[in-house]
Amino acid sequence: QVRLVQSGAEVKKPGASVRVSCRASRNTFTTNFRHWVRQAPGQGLEWMAVINPTDGSTAYAQKFQGRLTVTRDTTTSTFYMDLGSLRSEDTAIYYCSLSLNNAFDIWGPGTVVIVSS
Amino acid sequence: QTVVTQEPSFSVSPGGTVTLTCALSSGSVSTNSYVSWYQQTPGQAPRTLIYGTNTRSSGVPDRFSGSILGNRAALTITGAQVDDESDYYCVLYMGSGIWLFGGGTKLTVL
Repeated sequence: QVRLVQSGAEVKKPGASVRVSCRASRNTFTTNFRHWVRQAPGQGLEWMAVINPTDGSTAYAQKFQGRLTVTRDTTTSTFYMDLGSLRSEDTAIYYCSLSLNNAFDIWGPGTVVIVSS
Repeated sequence: QTVVTQEPSFSVSPGGTVTLTCALSSGSVSTNSYVSWYQQTPGQAPRTLIYGTNTRSSGVPDRFSGSILGNRAALTITGAQVDDESDYYCVLYMGSGIWLFGGGTKLTVL
């Protein structure tokens, strides 16, 4: 069964940017949409963005417009989430998820991002 | 701004049946919403329970079922077990590539 592997925890200062990566453990499902979802401490899940690996098209939650970019590297089948202008409220676990059935079918383990001065 | 609303908390006795719901602040949930449901326990990534409104994900017990009830999506647990005590989230497709999670329901089984 395919797993999603995410990059390690990050600690950033306010105003900085963070990049989180995500790739599948096997080179499969290369054309399946990838979502990014986050969860702040003690809070619920929040959808952030999705990317279509086939053409790189994206959609973003309105609250992140302008400071969030999701991309993919087709040569390595690695997906990236870049979030800029970080503030303390961005402290969260960031998950990537692979869509198989118009859903969030396979989840990565999450990447902890802490924003603190 | 559209919001997806779930009951903040629910309690059920072991062996009992509970229905959690997922509603839109404006409009109705339909099959075009690609409703899916997730279970999450503390410290763990979410687990997919239901997709496409009512299709169980692989390995999910048949005591979990999804449906549309009126203008809401519903997740029913029939014969709840202590292990079902978790947070449950729905997510809806809003169109134009946009998805929206509900706030989640904390289910207690006691």
